[in-house]
Amino acid sequence: NAGVTQTPKFRILKIGQSMTLQCTQDMNHNYMYWYRQDPGMGLKLIYYSVGAGITDKGEVPNGYNVSRSTTEDFPLRLELAAPSQTSVYFCASSKQGKWQPQHFGDGTRLSIL
Amino acid sequence: AQKITQTQPGMFVQEKEAVTLDCTYDTSDPSYGLFWYKQPSSGEMIFLIYQGSYDQQNATEGRYSLNFQKARKSANLVISASQLGDSAMYFCAMSSGNTPLVFGKGTRLSVIA
Repeated sequence: NAGVTQTPKFRILKIGQSMTLQCTQDMNHNYMYWYRQDPGMGLKLIYYSVGAGITDKGEVPNGYNVSRSTTEDFPLRLELAAPSQTSVYFCASSKQGKWQPQHFGDGTRLSIL
Repeated sequence: AQKITQTQPGMFVQEKEAVTLDCTYDTSDPSYGLFWYKQPSSGEMIFLIYQGSYDQQNATEGRYSLNFQKARKSANLVISASQLGDSAMYFCAMSSGNTPLVFGKGTRLSVIA
């Protein structure tokens, strides 16, 4: 019963490097989300998707890109990593939309040095 | 704009006592949902309880209950019979309008033996 799986769990990047954070869910959920959590703060929405082929910006999308080619996968791409992107990243999914609880992955701790 | 306010950065409670974690919200949308999540020190986000704006009764889930006061725009979480394992960060969140989920900054609960 995997739920939402994120890889990697930890990563250190140099400034200017790029990487993709992977997220996959096996619950056949239509909605998927990416959040970032800075120290001592709540979660902020980066991007979300209501189904394959459809994505939309959240509160803090700058510096990130997403794609949703399948129901299961929702990768988050960081281009030209900056120290301000040092954070913990959470992927989540829900069966439908805003009235359904979201199921979260365990997070990816990313440091940009 | 939607906003969640959690005014208690930290709370202490004696084991077996009840504790209330405060949450106020702001939205102009008459249709919204309120959520509480728990984040233990291990970092994962765990869904606890949900309250819809049109629900007639306060939500309950085991030892968790939500004290929903619509006119005051508050959605406080009540944990009864606190246990040491309840020590964690607790986040209040809201969905309304076109926004999937907005989180508060959280309250750190410490349960004392």
